Formats: sequence, structure tokens, C-alpha cells
Amino acid sequence: AQSVSQHNHHVILSEAASLELGCNYSYGGTVNLFWYVQYPGQHLQLLLKYFSGDPLVKGIKGFEAEFIKSKFSFNLRKPSVQWSDTAEYFCAVNAARGTDKLIFGTGTRLQVFP
Amino acid sequence: DTAVSQTPKYLVTQMGNDKSIKCEQNLGHDTMYWYKQDSKKFLKIMFSYNNKELIINETVPNRFSPKSPDKAHLNLHINSLELGDSAVYFCASSPPQGAWETQYFGPGTRLLVL
Repeated sequence: AQSVSQHNHHVILSEAASLELGCNYSYGGTVNLFWYVQYPGQHLQLLLKYFSGDPLVKGIKGFEAEFIKSKFSFNLRKPSVQWSDTAEYFCAVNAARGTDKLIFGTGTRLQVFP
Repeated sequence: DTAVSQTPKYLVTQMGNDKSIKCEQNLGHDTMYWYKQDSKKFLKIMFSYNNKELIINETVPNRFSPKSPDKAHLNLHINSLELGDSAVYFCASSPPQGAWETQYFGPGTRLLVL
């Protein structure tokens, strides 16, 4: 069965610090990978996704993620965070040739202080 | 012009009651989903419908019954509510083209069972 691990449960940073959130998945086949963000009191929205091509994908608000197939990883990065990046970040995966059922990680809470 | 809307936003009820949550999307998508987010922010899919047909049905108690009157609506009816049903329930929708498609989430319904 597919599963997703996000090892950082809570990350606290100062503004302008660099961010990397880990995401590892377990699945033997081809996958699609997603990062969703949930700002306080808001619904989930897509930050970026990978399904084929260049393993380095760029998303909204300066975020990017790199798919490393050999490590089953899809880590999220941002070179310089802002206070407005404070949110819950969810990594998710689905099987490329299966149903569109998304398996989510447990989320990482990011707090950015001015 | 809300894309995915849910009603109500908040629902407080007693154990044993029956309640419904409604979801509507105006994106023209064929596929709709229900997710449950528990108190630890863990998101898990419950159901998905494609063009009014049930596609995914995770191991959810049969007290939960989804109903899709048309492809723009997916309602969730819960019988005999239990304390453990307290959670945030998110509706989502996506185009039918493939598993790589982005899922668009509603604002969530916060259910509290007393």
C-alpha cells in the first residue's frame, strides 16, 4: 500500500530563512506527487505537482520541489520564507496508473516569525 | 464565484443524531471526493464519485453515506453520529482526465459531536 511520510511535524523559522520540508513515499510504481498548503482558516490549495518530465518543479509563491526517484523523495524548498508562508504543508501521492486517490502525509506545520 | 463550496461551515450536534453536509462545485468537474481531517490534521480520503458513480469507497463505517444527485453535487449523510466523527470534512473536485489532475478543495465543514 502507498504511504507518505513527512518527518518534520513542526518547523519554526525567522523570515528570510531557507526552508526545506521532507517528504518520502513508499510505492513501487510510477507516481504523481503533490504539495498542498493550508493557510490558517482556509482550504487546501495546490502549491505544485510532479507527474512527468523535469524532476525539479516550480510552484506558486516561490516554492519548488525536487523529485528524486532513487530516494522516493519529493522535498519542498523555498530559499527565503515570509511571515505569510505560515501554514500547514501536506505532501500527497497517487499512483500514476491507478485511481486518483490521493494519499496524504501527516502534514508539517510551518511557523514563520518576523 | 466560489469553486467548491460546502454547507454548513460549522456543525455542532449530539451523539446519535443524523446530519448531512452538502458540497457543490461550479468548475464543471466530473469527479468529486470527501476527505476527513482528524484533530492531528491527518487527511484521509473517504469516497470519490465520477459522474455520479461511486469510484472509491475506503473503509468507512456504513453510517456514512454519500449521495450524488448530479455531477456538481456530492452530499455526505452521517447516521448515528459518534464522538469519533468529530473532524473537519473536506469536499474536493477534479477533472476526469487523469490521476495527475489537481484536486480543488472546499473550505471544510467542522463537525463537533458532543
